[in-house]
Amino acid sequence: DVKVTQSSRYLVKRTGEKVFLECVQDMDHENMFWYRQDPGLGLRLIYFSYDVKMKEKGDIPEGYSVSREKKERFSLILESASTNQTSMYLCASRRSRISKAYEQYFGPGTRLTVT
Amino acid sequence: QQPVQSPQAVILREGEDAVINCSSSKALYSVHWYRQKHGEAPVFLMILLKGGEQKGHDKISASFNEKKQQSSLYLTASQLSYSGTYFCGTESGQFYFGTGTSLTVIP
Repeated sequence: DVKVTQSSRYLVKRTGEKVFLECVQDMDHENMFWYRQDPGLGLRLIYFSYDVKMKEKGDIPEGYSVSREKKERFSLILESASTNQTSMYLCASRRSRISKAYEQYFGPGTRLTVT
Repeated sequence: QQPVQSPQAVILREGEDAVINCSSSKALYSVHWYRQKHGEAPVFLMILLKGGEQKGHDKISASFNEKKQQSSLYLTASQLSYSGTYFCGTESGQFYFGTGTSLTVIP
């Protein structure tokens, strides 16, 4: 079974802090994704990566950056956390984009609260 | 560009049927369906890759109307285990998930 793990289930940070959210997958997947989930807004894509050292902006990249130095690890960075970044953050991975038939596998999520 | 789902929320009694719709203002090339139970990660249900395709397993099935740019998820004879939030998703340059439909099945 594919396993996607995220470094924390719950995180509380103060406004202005730099925050790192880590995501690791164990199935040699090429693609990885970061989403945030807010009530009524569904899942919105922040950044994604089709391969190591590659990154692409999604719908809502402002205030975030990412790093993918190794294939299995995709990090989301909040450069200076703000209260409007309080949300559930979900990481996902996918085998590749060669076939549209490949599904995404999600991690358990990190609920981040910025005070 | 984010697909719109309807209804936003639905409450069913066990054994009742439900339909969740997903529509897009842009062309749909494929449609994914996921379910997320409370406090858990979204889990893949099925993918429809071409217009006219219909798929299903157990009592959950889906259809894809490429011309109308919409997909529907059908849940028949609902069970308590069907409760959760259902998301459709599509890929066009990047992946877009829908706004979600909360489905609650009560005894």
